[in-house]
Amino acid sequence: NAGVTQTPKFQVLKTGQSMTLQCAQDMNHEYMSWYRQDPGMGLRLIHYSVGAGITDQGEVPNGYNVSRSTTEDFPLRLLSAAPSQTSVYFCASSYSDWTGMFNSPLHFGNGTRLTVT
Amino acid sequence: DAKTTQPTSMDCAEGRAANLPCNHSTISGNEYVYWYRQIHSQGPQYIIHGLKNNETNEMASLIITEDRKSSTLILPHATLRDTAVYYCIVSLSYNTDKLIFGTGTRLQVFP
Repeated sequence: NAGVTQTPKFQVLKTGQSMTLQCAQDMNHEYMSWYRQDPGMGLRLIHYSVGAGITDQGEVPNGYNVSRSTTEDFPLRLLSAAPSQTSVYFCASSYSDWTGMFNSPLHFGNGTRLTVT
Repeated sequence: DAKTTQPTSMDCAEGRAANLPCNHSTISGNEYVYWYRQIHSQGPQYIIHGLKNNETNEMASLIITEDRKSSTLILPHATLRDTAVYYCIVSLSYNTDKLIFGTGTRLQVFP
């Protein structure tokens, strides 16, 4: 059972470049989310999805796009990278039943370390 | 969602109990208290959660005060591998859009 898999583990971009951070989970979880973690600031929610075809913004969505075409995958796109997006990015997923009343703990991937120069 | 307040850092001797406090004075009646930890640069790991009653699992115990304004995570016999940042979070459910992690408590377990 792989859990939540994030690729790549490390990435260096130049300002203005675009890229997609991949996140896949094999637990059939409906809920998936992206966080970024900066020194001294904890984890901040970027975008989240409660199921395929549904996405919504978190605390810090600007500069990022997401889509959820399948239950398994939740890619995060940086359209034009900026130095302020240098961070560690974590993807997470959890189970949620159709009512939203029963949910499992969040399962996190091991992160993608992104540097924008 | 309610905010939480945690000490920035704590030390604990190996083999002793580590008691990590968390204040959540504005918690509402249907909000849960969750604890996660993050070891080095790995993704956060779920530890335990509770609503009103004290909870225990194979990793830790969670003690919630009767007024629910504070809680304590207890690692009964801390090991060096418990050195991590511990996050206390309050939320209506796991899947709300505002699962706020904050900066947590850095626990250092020493030999």
